[in-house]
Amino acid sequence: NAGVTQTPKFRVLKTGQSMTLLCAQDMNHEYMYWYRQDPGMGLRLIHYSVGEGTTAKGEVPDGYNVSRLKKQNFLLGLESAAPSQTSVYFCASSSTGVGANVLTFGAGSRLTVL
Amino acid sequence: GENVEQHPSTLSVQEGDSAVIKCTYSDSASNYFPWYKQELGKRPQLIIDIRSNVGEKKDQRIAVTLNKTAKHFSLHITETQPEDSAVYFCAASTHSDSGYSTLTFGKGTMLLVSP
Repeated sequence: NAGVTQTPKFRVLKTGQSMTLLCAQDMNHEYMYWYRQDPGMGLRLIHYSVGEGTTAKGEVPDGYNVSRLKKQNFLLGLESAAPSQTSVYFCASSSTGVGANVLTFGAGSRLTVL
Repeated sequence: GENVEQHPSTLSVQEGDSAVIKCTYSDSASNYFPWYKQELGKRPQLIIDIRSNVGEKKDQRIAVTLNKTAKHFSLHITETQPEDSAVYFCAASTHSDSGYSTLTFGKGTMLLVSP
């Protein structure tokens, strides 16, 4: 089992460019999440999904869009990147029931916006 | 929404000492409180968690205590070792309007254990 896999691991963008981060999990988890991590700010929830075809906003959703077309994949899109979106992005997944908040994280994707 | 405060932001101890990290939360409906460890350049990994129906949980050298009345929970690490050096995050479950719960994280504590 690979667990949670994120691609790409590193990316440099110019302001205004667009890109998509891909998260894939092979644990048959229902729930998937995108967090961003900034120095001194902890992990902040951007968007999440409670099942295929569903998405919901988290704490810091502005400037991002997501899609969950397949149960195993959760995509995070930046339509017009801004320097404030320079961050490390972590995808996570969890099962339902008592495991609903037991998160398994991916290795992270470091994004720099110039 | 939920607000999770974590202290201290940095903690330096000598090998063999104990370390305590404290968190408070604001939402009285929160019922799940995990702790994650993140080594430098790595992903966060769950090390211990506690649910609101218990007051304390231990796993070898680590323990977590919960005081629901005070909305306060703490991580205790005994006999610290250099490999315990990492950033530790507390979190609390947050219930959204849709009925699903997510985790709200504290800002993290960087623990440095010196040999």
